[in-house]
Amino acid sequence: GAVVSQHPSRVICKSGTSVKIECRSLDFQATTMFWYRQFPKQSLMLMATSNEGSKATYEQGVEKDKFLINHASLTLSTLTVTSAHPEDSSFYICSARGVSAYEQYFGPGTRLTVT
Amino acid sequence: DAKTTQPPSMDCAEGRAANLPCNHSTISGNEYVYWYRQIHSQGPQYIIHGLKNNETNEMASLIITEDRKSSTLILPHATLRDTAVYYCIVRVGAAGNKLTFGGGTRVLVKP
Repeated sequence: GAVVSQHPSRVICKSGTSVKIECRSLDFQATTMFWYRQFPKQSLMLMATSNEGSKATYEQGVEKDKFLINHASLTLSTLTVTSAHPEDSSFYICSARGVSAYEQYFGPGTRLTVT
Repeated sequence: DAKTTQPPSMDCAEGRAANLPCNHSTISGNEYVYWYRQIHSQGPQYIIHGLKNNETNEMASLIITEDRKSSTLILPHATLRDTAVYYCIVRVGAAGNKLTFGGGTRVLVKP
């Protein structure tokens, strides 16, 4: 199947700083990418839908000015957590629409810890 | 998208078939049934999807009832590596539409 990578896999940052997470589709072009967040022992929650070349669509309750999403190319989307706080510590996962119109592939996730 | 109901957890024996049920009684005609699984601390992995016919691939089989109000994911020969949370999701149309994850079923495969 198609491969989606994320970088970094783990990141620790200090409160008040910003951190960028990259999501790449390695062997296919992804016109649509999705960003999820998962807290311990909870399910994945969709944060936003990102379409290449246009502004992301955020889910209700997700602050677009805090979670900046850029989808500048067909193989790369980035999520920047601005002015991070300890409550932003979570597992962030991206996914991309695959070569088949009915498949969606997920990255391995990025564990963010804000101290 | 229609909501799904899954048992929160289940155990199964290594080497035996694992049958994972999912209820989606409010599914509409244009909604597909998708199954994903998430092994601890990893991203979800696509397993299989279907509309109304039963489907089989190298990972699993998907059995959808005739009224489409429920389905069963079958792992034919469970291994320890199949221990994961399994999510049943119904979604309109193609992959461009978002996936909404529920609680899933935590499956523990025991030796």
